Amino acid sequence: DAGVTQSPTHLIKTRGQQVTLRCSPKSGHDTVSWYQQALGQGPQFIFQYYEEEERQRGNFPDRFSGHQFPNYSSELNVNALLLGDSALYLCASRLAVDGYTFGSGTRLTVV
Amino acid sequence: TQLLEQSPQFLSIQEGENLTVYCNSSSVFSSLQWYRQEPGEGPVLLVTVVTGGEVKKLKRLTFQFGDARKDSSLHITAAQPGDTGLYLCAGIRSEKLVFGKGTKLTVNP
Repeated sequence: DAGVTQSPTHLIKTRGQQVTLRCSPKSGHDTVSWYQQALGQGPQFIFQYYEEEERQRGNFPDRFSGHQFPNYSSELNVNALLLGDSALYLCASRLAVDGYTFGSGTRLTVV
Repeated sequence: TQLLEQSPQFLSIQEGENLTVYCNSSSVFSSLQWYRQEPGEGPVLLVTVVTGGEVKKLKRLTFQFGDARKDSSLHITAAQPGDTGLYLCAGIRSEKLVFGKGTKLTVNP
């Protein structure tokens, strides 16, 4: 049973560019959340998707947007990249009261 | 302002030693989770504590949730090099996780 799958694993982008990160949730999980983990910090909540809608959002600018597809997979888009967006982006999925399962993340470097 | 404060931030000990890491908050959480994260990987859930005063044991790891549900501790007995990693506590608020900065533990052989 595959866990949470994220792609790509690593990515290097230039300031001002746009990036799309992808997440396939654990089989049977219908809720997907995205977190940003800067170096030396704990993960910070970006937003959560359920039934293809954004249900909750953390303190992140509108440059961060997302989408959930009918098969529960999700994308995180970041526009107008800044150097400070360099981080590990984690996707976590869950089903109702089950615990969260995290993917291995996408390491984004903005140069 | 960090909602969850973890201490110590770094801890380096010898194999066989005991240790305790702390997670403190001024806010009440409905439940709290502890995760362990290794370099290049996502956090892996160790335990969820729900009831104030609750104590849970996972082999050599003992987790405690404070009576007021604002703080928690993780105690490791006879630490092993395989325990090395970043230990994160996370409070659950409105179905989202609020993480502390973590305690980076290194267990030297």
